Amino acid sequence: GENVEQHPSTLSVQEGDSAVIKCTYSDSASNYFPWYKQELGKGPQLIIDIRSNVGEKKDQRIAVTLNKTAKHFSLHITETQPEDSAVYFCAASFRPEAAGNKLTFGGGTRVLVKP
Amino acid sequence: DAGVIQSPRHEVTEMGQEVTLRCKPISGHDYLFWYRQTMMRGLELLIYFNNNVPIDDSGMPEDRFSAKMPNASFSTLKIQPSEPRDSAVYFCASSFRPGSDNEQFFGPGTRLTVL
Repeated sequence: GENVEQHPSTLSVQEGDSAVIKCTYSDSASNYFPWYKQELGKGPQLIIDIRSNVGEKKDQRIAVTLNKTAKHFSLHITETQPEDSAVYFCAASFRPEAAGNKLTFGGGTRVLVKP
Repeated sequence: DAGVIQSPRHEVTEMGQEVTLRCKPISGHDYLFWYRQTMMRGLELLIYFNNNVPIDDSGMPEDRFSAKMPNASFSTLKIQPSEPRDSAVYFCASSFRPGSDNEQFFGPGTRLTVL
């Protein structure tokens, strides 16, 4: 089955700096890569996703890049703010149209933005 | 919509007792997922349903765990008998059918402590 590895496990950045989280996946058939943000005491929430036919996607201060050849993808947060402090999860899935969107999650990265 | 609803939010029980966790998915969602989150193992998919039918239960740890979805608006995850190693946060998530949206919407979770 799919295996997703995520690094680093913890990341501390100064407010205003950038944060980068990297993930690798094992199944070359995977074609959908979402990123979820989990705040304390809450369930994960989707913040951005990318499909395998796209190399990069951006939404305001967050961006995701995908390298299918190397089987890795990354999350970039620019101009970090204290409210970006949370646990971030990457995930991967192979989603043929006839099946469900079963996700395999990475281990998570705890991001702390210091004011 | 109120989002995915889970109950109870917290459950403390003694080893050997039966535990039932409940989930109400977002109306109109065809897929329902049960996850377990621990520090050691991260976010693990236990089972998921499509149109109330279990599709993949390969993540269910052992026979002590069972899940049902009697109708489109309700699902339960039961542990019988419970053990201390079952202590974790259990999340329920729901999503639309493939082809429309991949996003999984997570509930707030149930924190289970087995003494």
